[in-house]
Amino acid sequence: SYELTQPPSVSVSPGQTARITCSADALPRQYAYWYQQKPGQAPVLVIYKDTARPSGIPERFSGSSSGTTVTLTISGVQAEDEADYYCQSGDSGGTSWVFGGGTKLTVL
Amino acid sequence: QVQLKESGPRLVKPSETLSLTCTVSGYSISGGDYWAWIRQPPGKGLEWIGSIYHGGITYYNASLTSRLTMSVDTSRNHFSLNLRSVTAADTAVYYCARGDSPDNFDSSGFDHWGLGTLVTVSS
Repeated sequence: SYELTQPPSVSVSPGQTARITCSADALPRQYAYWYQQKPGQAPVLVIYKDTARPSGIPERFSGSSSGTTVTLTISGVQAEDEADYYCQSGDSGGTSWVFGGGTKLTVL
Repeated sequence: QVQLKESGPRLVKPSETLSLTCTVSGYSISGGDYWAWIRQPPGKGLEWIGSIYHGGITYYNASLTSRLTMSVDTSRNHFSLNLRSVTAADTAVYYCARGDSPDNFDSSGFDHWGLGTLVTVSS
């Protein structure tokens, strides 16, 4: 089955830049989406179509794509950004949505 | 403002059917969107279950398709999930969300979610 690979955890100090990667073979042909999930809450879309930011999402959240890897970048990390982050994309056949395993962002 | 709310039994016995409904308010379910179910076992990641269009077109997770049925009721502006022959592995928070079909390469993602409901499978 198709898989999206994320690092289990990323740690940064406040004010630094956090980068969370997501890798899969079909990513050069499929857009990626990123969700932030805080404990006990539903996920929130923070990036769509690799680089677009929904209204209401702070500018410090950005996305990029290079080959088989997409990256969520959080610039000037704040304590409130501590959360789990999930990437999502479609399989190459366009039959299924898939989520990555999630990355826990810790703000030191 | 689009709002989604999941409802249904919180406890289901093993081998029985898990049934949930997602009621959509502030938006017509008969538009151009797909409507999805996504689940999250306790302490684990997100798993897409399936997506449905108001006309009845469905996309299911291949690992669940033999047990899964999704349906839409446009008159009540809600959509539903039936998962048969459940086991403890189906214990999870179940979310409904607005999104697109997996073959929509111009999707905007799952942009609205319900709060989720924890369903426990136990005797």
